[in-house]
Amino acid sequence: EAGVTQFPSHSVIEKGQTVTLRCDPISGHDNLYWYRRVMGKEIKFLLHFVKESKQDESGMPNNRFLAERTGGTYSTLKVQPAELEDSGVYFCASSQIGLAGSTQYFGPGTRLLVL
Amino acid sequence: GEDVEQSLFLSVREGDSSVINCTYTDSSSTYLYWYKQEPGAGLQLLTYIFSNMDMKQDQRLTVLLNKKDKHLSLRIADTQTGDSAIYFCAVPSGYSTLTFGKGTMLLVSP
Repeated sequence: EAGVTQFPSHSVIEKGQTVTLRCDPISGHDNLYWYRRVMGKEIKFLLHFVKESKQDESGMPNNRFLAERTGGTYSTLKVQPAELEDSGVYFCASSQIGLAGSTQYFGPGTRLLVL
Repeated sequence: GEDVEQSLFLSVREGDSSVINCTYTDSSSTYLYWYKQEPGAGLQLLTYIFSNMDMKQDQRLTVLLNKKDKHLSLRIADTQTGDSAIYFCAVPSGYSTLTFGKGTMLLVSP
């Protein structure tokens, strides 16, 4: 069974440009999460989808970040316009159950560098 | 909110045991997790323990949970160079999110 996949693996863009990250969850997992780790800091929660609906987006840093999950399958996270402080690793995870304590399986991450 | 603390660095020799410690603040956590991140790779679920357990053993891995002190530890027996990685403690918080520690970088020398 395929795990969580993310694309691209790396992205280098200039400040002010737009980047779109994609996540494909494990097949059958209704719950999809985005996290990010900026340089040397904790991995921080961004948001949680249940199917196509946003269950919790309390971790989204500002309105330059837009996450979508049309059709309830894959998800995209768009950063527009990108700023230097957006550099980091963006992880996607999925789980079967969306309750606290359900096991989340993570993808390999997208390493974003904003110059 | 939840706060998770880990030591940042641990260095051991191959064959020794490694112990990585984690403390957390929210006592209502159900499962508590250890994730491993190898260089250039994503987060791999290593093991987990249910909050009503004190200990869980899985081959070379032993997880100890002290709920009174809110302390979680991961012991790796017979540590190998391939165990060199960053180890993250993760605790559920809120409805379904995970709160991570900053990660402990384990360096295993031959």
